[in-house]
Amino acid sequence: ELKVEQNPLFLSMQEGKNYTIYCNYSTTSDRLYWYRQDPGKSLESLFVLLSNGAVKQEGRLMASLDTKARLSTLHITAAVHDLSATYFCAVDEETSGSRLTFGEGTQLTVNP
Amino acid sequence: GAGVSQSPSNKVTEKGKDVELRCDPISGHTALYWYRQRLGQGLEFLIYFQGNSAPDKSGLPSDRFSAERTGESVSTLTIQRTQQEDSAVYLCASSLYRRQPQHFGDGTRLSIL
Repeated sequence: ELKVEQNPLFLSMQEGKNYTIYCNYSTTSDRLYWYRQDPGKSLESLFVLLSNGAVKQEGRLMASLDTKARLSTLHITAAVHDLSATYFCAVDEETSGSRLTFGEGTQLTVNP
Repeated sequence: GAGVSQSPSNKVTEKGKDVELRCDPISGHTALYWYRQRLGQGLEFLIYFQGNSAPDKSGLPSDRFSAERTGESVSTLTIQRTQQEDSAVYLCASSLYRRQPQHFGDGTRLSIL
């Protein structure tokens, strides 16, 4: 059974600071997603990482994937309050070919 | 453009009642997924439909849960004899094809009294 673990689960940071969220998973996968969820809202797709070494950047967020280490990171640069949300990683198992297995989520609070 | 549409947005019902949740996927999307999100947790996979293939029901937690999909359009998730542990947000997602990025609806918040 695929396990997806995120850490930290809760992150409080000051505006302007940098931080990294980690996503570890337990079985082979070539496809990983990062989503953002605001309170009471649905999930917004941030990144799709499709291969080993993939790196994608959008604004102050950068995501990377290391399939050999079974690790993805979401790096936040110079955080701003608007980034406050819950961030989920989700892994698409090669064998299942359909379902996504989600991490528990990282609740990020950026303080002014 | 139109996204994934779910109804109702909120549902409050008494324990033991049946409920039916509806999902309208993005037009042209062949794959449709149902997930459950309990308060403060990640999403749990429930069921997956792909075209006319047999659905993947491996995530359904009990035989009280069932889902149907008409062709490549609307899907309904039915929960019979609801229990308090069924309280959650039920999210539907669709994708153009299997293993493509999934687009999520706003969910149905289900509360069992």
